[in-house]
Amino acid sequence: KQEVTQIPAALSVPEGENLVLNCSFTDSAIYNLQWFRQDPGKGLTSLLLIQSSQREQTSGRLNASLDKSSGRSTLYIAASQPGDSATYLCASYTGGGNKLTFGTGTQLKVEL
Amino acid sequence: NAGVTQTPKFQVLKTGQSMTLQCAQDMNHNSMYWYRQDPGMGLRLIYYSASEGTTDKGEVPNGYNVSRLNKREFSLRLESAAPSQTSVYFCASRQVLYSNQPQHFGDGTRLSIL
Repeated sequence: KQEVTQIPAALSVPEGENLVLNCSFTDSAIYNLQWFRQDPGKGLTSLLLIQSSQREQTSGRLNASLDKSSGRSTLYIAASQPGDSATYLCASYTGGGNKLTFGTGTQLKVEL
Repeated sequence: NAGVTQTPKFQVLKTGQSMTLQCAQDMNHNSMYWYRQDPGMGLRLIYYSASEGTTDKGEVPNGYNVSRLNKREFSLRLESAAPSQTSVYFCASRQVLYSNQPQHFGDGTRLSIL
């Protein structure tokens, strides 16, 4: 059974700092890995999806990497802003590619 | 540009009552999913529908039933609500099974069972 872990559970940084969020998974036979953002009281917004054959994906100030052999993914946020404050979730596609297993998330606060 | 729409947004039930949570997507997606989100547990898959006419159990299906009414709509029913089912419920959809398209989520239904 796939298990996804995100450490730390919470993180507070000053505005402008570059930061890395970590995600680890136990079963390397994943299809894809997806990073989401969740604002309080809201649903999940997809940020980046990395296919199993890829090593990384970029969107604006966000860069996500995937290392299947070590069971790790990282989300890099450049020049953080207060608007980046949210909970970030990673999830792996397993079970034939049709099921998502989620981590419990990292709650990020970017302070002025 | 609605995406995935869930109704209701909030609901309070008494133990033993029944209720159906509604979900509709306007993106012509084949697959639809129901999750629950609990503090410290993350999101867990309850049921999913890979395509119209099919449904399968996820990680935590006990106490729930689902209906894929048509390609657009996927409902979740609690036949006899229990306090342990107090949670936030999310519906999601995806373009094609085995594709590299992401899942899209609704804003959730916040359900409290007294």
